[in-house]
Amino acid sequence: SQTIHQWPATLVQPVGSPLSLECTVEGTSNPNLYWYRQAAGRGLQLLFYSVGIGQISSEVPQNLSASRPQDRQFILSSKKLLLSDSGFYLCAWSWGTTTNTEAFFGQGTRLTVV
Amino acid sequence: QKEVEQDPGPLSVPEGAIVSLNCTYSNSAFQYFMWYRQYSRKGPELLMYTYSSGNKEDGRFTAQVDKSSKYISLFIRDSQPSDSATYLCAMGGGSNYKLTFGKGTLLTVNP
Repeated sequence: SQTIHQWPATLVQPVGSPLSLECTVEGTSNPNLYWYRQAAGRGLQLLFYSVGIGQISSEVPQNLSASRPQDRQFILSSKKLLLSDSGFYLCAWSWGTTTNTEAFFGQGTRLTVV
Repeated sequence: QKEVEQDPGPLSVPEGAIVSLNCTYSNSAFQYFMWYRQYSRKGPELLMYTYSSGNKEDGRFTAQVDKSSKYISLFIRDSQPSDSATYLCAMGGGSNYKLTFGKGTLLTVNP
């Protein structure tokens, strides 16, 4: 069976500090990988998605970047956090063989920038 | 017009009630539809996935899709307090890998 791991669960970081959130998927190969941010009352905002190693598509220009150094690893980073980066960050995966497929989510990271 | 509109609620019902959650969409390219359940401070959990118009049943949950009206619904029968959560509709289609989500409906089932 497939599992997705996302950590840490909660994070409090000062403004201007760097960020690294990691997500790994087990039990499947060549998944599509996604980073979402969820803000209260605003739904899920797609930040980045990747269909393969080194292939990153950015949906929203902002203070964040993503990388996929291995097939089942997806990393969300920032060099200098802003207060507005606070939120609930979710990693997700979907089957890589087709576009018409559901996504499966990790448990999320609640980031508070202070 | 937003691509996906979802009744925001909040919705409060007594235990045992039938719950109806709805989304409308404007993009004809959407061909497959999902419902997710999200408990507070947790990631969304896939409840139902459907590709065609009509009804799909799984236990107490029924997903309904009407592509001609661009309208989808999730029905919960015999609702339980454990069903209290935010319910998100999602849809996708075409040649991209992205899903479009509704903003979610907060449901509370009171014992």
